[in-house]
Amino acid sequence: DSGVTQTPKHLITATGQRVTLRCSPRSGDLSVYWYQQSLDQGLQFLIQYYNGEERAKGNILERFSAQQFPDLHSELNLSSLELGDSALYFCASSVEGETDTQYFGPGTRLTVL
Amino acid sequence: AQSVTQLGSHVSVSEGALVLLRCNYSSSVPPYLFWYVQYPNQGLQLLLKYTTGATLVKGINGFEAEFKKSETSFHLTKPSAHMSDAAEYFCAVSDHDAGGTSYGKLTFGQGTILTVHP
Repeated sequence: DSGVTQTPKHLITATGQRVTLRCSPRSGDLSVYWYQQSLDQGLQFLIQYYNGEERAKGNILERFSAQQFPDLHSELNLSSLELGDSALYFCASSVEGETDTQYFGPGTRLTVL
Repeated sequence: AQSVTQLGSHVSVSEGALVLLRCNYSSSVPPYLFWYVQYPNQGLQLLLKYTTGATLVKGINGFEAEFKKSETSFHLTKPSAHMSDAAEYFCAVSDHDAGGTSYGKLTFGQGTILTVHP
């Protein structure tokens, strides 16, 4: 158990819908990262937040957005969902000053029908 | 831009045999290097990492990896495979600033599925 929690574990929805994935980092970790794992693209970095501020952006679609709240939990919002958005979405967290060590949550499996 | 290439999407070994999973990277400067393992229906777990110092790095579960700058490689090895090692393994890299602080963003290889036969 990494200490990073993600909810829900599974999500099934329809094209065109909007969903929110939630992540709680390890206690004390200020950085949160979101990754997408799909059969087509493999594991890809989406976005990083540090203490509520966006720190880095990767291959995140404009239909996707994220935020980190004052209690440090983070949410990834996916809208206008397409079939190709079906994937495993991982959240990871790291300690300040040790961004080279990321602890991954168990992931949320999103299925878009 | 960084890239990571894992040679062999599937590797099969017998229990007790040597495990060798290959990883090569492309980066303008030597990045930080990582190996992660993913068991079915689970998240990623860090096996080991190289940032600075000794180029032979030991990790959990008996795995080790050697950073070879001249070959831009970071291959993962284990002398004797166990059935419990069956999983998918990912090599990853991250850039860092001049002070050595990682930028955090990980770039992953495509993964290698390790099968261990009795």
